[in-house]
Amino acid sequence: EFVLTQSPGTLSLSPGERATLSCRASQSIAFSFLAWYQQKPGQAPRLLLYGASSRATGIPDRFRGYGSGTEYTLTITRLEPEDFAVYYCQHYGTSPPVTFGGGTKVEIK
Amino acid sequence: QEQLQQWGAGLLKPSETLSLSCAEYGGSFSGDYWAWIRQPPGKGLEWMGHINHGGSAIYNVSLQSRVTITVDPFKKQFSLNLRSLTAADTAVYYCARVTVFHCMDVWGEGTTVTVSS
Repeated sequence: EFVLTQSPGTLSLSPGERATLSCRASQSIAFSFLAWYQQKPGQAPRLLLYGASSRATGIPDRFRGYGSGTEYTLTITRLEPEDFAVYYCQHYGTSPPVTFGGGTKVEIK
Repeated sequence: QEQLQQWGAGLLKPSETLSLSCAEYGGSFSGDYWAWIRQPPGKGLEWMGHINHGGSAIYNVSLQSRVTITVDPFKKQFSLNLRSLTAADTAVYYCARVTVFHCMDVWGEGTTVTVSS
């Protein structure tokens, strides 16, 4: 069974700090099929990155993604107050076609 | 700017059928696929299935005996039916557009569905 495992579950940081979020796939995947989303309470998820590293329209450049194979990372270089949220990675494949990770909550320390 | 507007009943009883619809506004219904995703209270996202313009749908294996997704490209709408509801189906249900880059770039605002007797 294909699984995306996100770590840590919760990240406690202060505004201005750097956040590093991990997404590990249970088998090697093509980077082009890995996306990241941000979700705030009571809101729908918002696409941040696709193709592991390409920013979606309107996403500031403090959001950076990289990775290959089974290991992918989302970095927020300097946390702004509006960045405290839950982040999900997502893979588009064949079996199953779409998988989400369990999420990482970035909270204010 | 494209938007997805979704609607449907929010309070249902066990064994009933959930029916939600989603329409695109401000766009040309140009997505690669059209998807439904749900999120139980306090939990993560679960992909339910998606459909292309031609009506070919793929479903989450865990739901495929109960779920049907349909599309009407002329109305720029797509719909979700989920049968034989139980309390475990209580969730916020989202519709979303799947792009050629294999991600979901436009989302509906979500519909809270509660299954309770």
